[in-house]
Amino acid sequence: DVKVTQSSRYLVKRTGEKVFLECVQDMDHENMFWYRQDPGLGLRLIYFSYDVKMKEKGDIPEGYSVSREKKERFSLILESASTNQTSMYLCASSFRDNEQFFGPGTRLTVL
Amino acid sequence: AQSVSQHNHHVILSEAASLELGCNYSYGGTVNLFWYVQYPGQHLQLLLKYFSGDPLVKGIKGFEAEFIKSKFSFNLRKPSVQWSDTAEYFCAVNLDRGSTLGRLYFGRGTQLTVWP
Repeated sequence: DVKVTQSSRYLVKRTGEKVFLECVQDMDHENMFWYRQDPGLGLRLIYFSYDVKMKEKGDIPEGYSVSREKKERFSLILESASTNQTSMYLCASSFRDNEQFFGPGTRLTVL
Repeated sequence: AQSVSQHNHHVILSEAASLELGCNYSYGGTVNLFWYVQYPGQHLQLLLKYFSGDPLVKGIKGFEAEFIKSKFSFNLRKPSVQWSDTAEYFCAVNLDRGSTLGRLYFGRGTQLTVWP
């Protein structure tokens, strides 16, 4: 079974802090994705990566950056956390245009 | 802009009722289509998918969906829902079929509540 793991289930940070969210997949997938999930808004794509060191902006990249130094790991970085970044963050991976496999999510609260 | 529309934000049914959740997308090309489900407190998981072939696809837990190309629709159905089907359902579309990128466009989700 494909497994996508995220470093934390719950995270509480203060405004202005730098936040790192880590995601690891174990199926050698080229593609990895970061979404945020908010009630009534569904899943919105922040960034995705199709190869090591490659990244593409999604629909809402402002305030975020990403890093993919190894194929299995994709990190989301909030350079200076703000309260409007309080959300559920979901990581996913896929092989080409096949289904995406999701991690359990990280619920981030920024105070 | 590409978009995926789910018509119902919240659906409330009694057990044994039939379910149909609508999904439409705005793109004229060839697509891959997915329905995902998120049970309370759990991660998103695939319910079913359509890539090609028979437009009526069957998924897990008795769900099925029909792709109607002329209507740009991929509606999810279940003849008789159970309390355990209470969850949020997301329709997703891959507009880059055959490419390596695999980006999905998601609808806003439909919350299904089933009363026992």
